[in-house]
Amino acid sequence: AQSVAQPEDQVNVAEGNPLTVKCTYSVSGNPYLFWYVQYPNRGLQFLLKYITGDNLVKGSYGFEAEFNKSQTSFHLKKPSALVSDSALYFCAVRVHSGSARQLTFGSGTQLTVLP
Amino acid sequence: GAGVSQSPSNKVTEKGKDVELRCDPISGHTALYWYRQSLGQGLEFLIYFQGNSAPDKSGLPSDRFSAERTGGSVSTLTIQRTQQEDSAVYLCASTTGEGETQYFGPGTRLLVL
Repeated sequence: AQSVAQPEDQVNVAEGNPLTVKCTYSVSGNPYLFWYVQYPNRGLQFLLKYITGDNLVKGSYGFEAEFNKSQTSFHLKKPSALVSDSALYFCAVRVHSGSARQLTFGSGTQLTVLP
Repeated sequence: GAGVSQSPSNKVTEKGKDVELRCDPISGHTALYWYRQSLGQGLEFLIYFQGNSAPDKSGLPSDRFSAERTGGSVSTLTIQRTQQEDSAVYLCASTTGEGETQYFGPGTRLLVL
C-alpha cells in the first residue's frame, strides 16, 4: 500500500519569506512524487513532479521540491513567498510499476501568505 | 490547448435520485481517472481507465457507483440512489500514460439533499 503524510494542516508565512510545505511518503518500490495546488472552487493544478534523476525538481511559479530517499520526503519550497501563493497544497505518490496507477494524496496543507 | 472539462459544474439532487457526471479528457490522453474530494475523506481514487483495458474499479465505494468510457474519450460517472454521504466534489483527470502527469478538470460539486 502507498500513503502520503502532510503533517501540517496550516502553514503561515510572511510575504517575501521562504516557505516550506512538508510531505513524507510510503511506497513499496520506487515512487513517482507530485505536488498540486488547489485554489478555491477550482480543480487541482500541477506544480511539479519527481520521476527519476536529479533530486531537486523545479516547477511552476518558482516552486521547487527535493526528493530525499533516505528520509522518504518530498518537501515543497519557495525562496520568497507571494500573497498569491495562498492556496491548498497536495502532495501525491504512486509507484513506478505494478497495477496501482492511481495517485494517493496527502490530506493537504493550507498555505497562507501574509502581506 | 483545451484542458480537462467536466459537467455540470454543480449538481443538487434529492436523496434517492440518480446522477450522471461527465468528463471530457484532454485530446489524445489514453488514461482517465475519477477521484472524489470530500471534507472527511480528502482525495480518494474511484476508478481508472487505460485505453481498451478493463477499468480498475477498486476505489468505487459501493455498487451504486459505476463509470463508462465511450470511444476511449468521454467518461460518465453514474451514482444511483444517491445518499447524503455522496455529497463531494468529483474530479476527473487524464494523462498520456505510464508515469505521466495527471491533469485535472475543475470538478463537479455534488450536493445530495
